[in-house]
Amino acid sequence: DQQVKQNSPSLSVQEGRISILNCDYTNSMFDYFLWYKKYPAEGPTFLISISSIKDKNEDGRFTVFLNKSAKHLSLHIVPSQPGDSAVYFCAAINSGGYQKVTFGIGTKLQVIP
Amino acid sequence: KAGVTQTPRYLIKTRGQQVTLSCSPISGHRSVSWYQQTPGQGLQFLFEYFSETQRNKGNFPGRFSGRQFSNSRSEMNVSTLELGDSALYLCASSAIGNANEKLFFGSGTQLSVL
Repeated sequence: DQQVKQNSPSLSVQEGRISILNCDYTNSMFDYFLWYKKYPAEGPTFLISISSIKDKNEDGRFTVFLNKSAKHLSLHIVPSQPGDSAVYFCAAINSGGYQKVTFGIGTKLQVIP
Repeated sequence: KAGVTQTPRYLIKTRGQQVTLSCSPISGHRSVSWYQQTPGQGLQFLFEYFSETQRNKGNFPGRFSGRQFSNSRSEMNVSTLELGDSALYLCASSAIGNANEKLFFGSGTQLSVL
């Protein structure tokens, strides 16, 4: 049972345009959400996070939006760059416990020059 | 500061064998987690160790086990390998393993079971 769902396995975007990656979750105990980026042959690296007390968090070209009532979050990348081409994992945590991160299956983003 | 180091990088085993994977966390990090990555399942949590104690465990059979040493290095063992165990095994470390600490991942060990 996937508690964190990324329904789009892949996404292609032109350089300079906006990339929007979506994520849905089912467990209402999740209260902290993260995005990780993974290049081939490397481990995932942390990108951005958001607490459930917020609905938006911004870091440079990356913005994460959280809609708690819909149990939905999205990652916006503006403008998209070829170096952003990677697999993006949505992740969720119940911060009441120790570290046990639930990841989605990932969305492969391709930014076309 | 050196990152998370995982060895070996690649492993090929046959069904029924056992395998041990190693992970050295970032210096000063005391929490080590293990994840299995497969194409259809994404990253799935195996277990987390802190100060040589397993604090959390995912939904994997008992064939999957781990341990952590006093220097925070960790090993993961899979016994009686099955074809379905073929995956990328990722180790991640964090300072004290609080739930919302960001994880620092190694490059993984790619295990192929034939």
